[in-house]
Amino acid sequence: QVQLVQSGSEVKKPGDSVKVSCKAAGYTFSAHYMFWVRQAPGQGLEWLGRINPKTGGTSYAQNFQGRILMTRDTSIITAYLDLRNLRSDDTAVYFCARASDDPSNFFDYWGQGTLVTVSS
Amino acid sequence: SYEMTQPLSVSVALGQTARITCGGNRIGSYNVHWYRHKPGQAPELVIYRDDNRPSEIPERFSGSNSGNTATLTITGAQAGDEGDYYCQVWDSNSAWVFGGGTKLTVL
Repeated sequence: QVQLVQSGSEVKKPGDSVKVSCKAAGYTFSAHYMFWVRQAPGQGLEWLGRINPKTGGTSYAQNFQGRILMTRDTSIITAYLDLRNLRSDDTAVYFCARASDDPSNFFDYWGQGTLVTVSS
Repeated sequence: SYEMTQPLSVSVALGQTARITCGGNRIGSYNVHWYRHKPGQAPELVIYRDDNRPSEIPERFSGSNSGNTATLTITGAQAGDEGDYYCQVWDSNSAWVFGGGTKLTVL
């Protein structure tokens, strides 16, 4: 069955960078875009961006342009989220989510989430 | 940017019908998707394209979408249905947009 397994919690200081991984299983990795979504404490879900695992092409939400990088390693079917110059308001649970192959743009499977805490 | 409004919380008695709304300008012209998120777990798709259920979601979950309101209906709510529910659309200007989320409590 489809599984997305994310890396463990991270604690960072302001200005640091964090790299979160998302290992896929149970489907053809290159066939589905991978998205990253976050949820800050007490807040709703926020889209960060997406990567095409086949080509490596990316698209980022405007709010994160310049300090976000999404990559993938097809040899180990893993997607990565890099967020640089962390601020306290980047404290959130970060999810990877697989895009359905349906053209109506929804997410059919999600990772379990990775808590990133940014604190001095 | 496109925005959607959900009630912060909805309570329903065990076995009764819960309705969670998602309001947005002309949301009836969008495909609306719904997710449930239980604390510490991965979010789960419960309805896609307004009124379609993934195969693993019980028939008591249904959706509708018209005008300025999309609605997720849970008929015969169970304790295991508790969680935070989010609506989501794709908008050509705002890209992937989520509602603020609704906490469902089954009493």
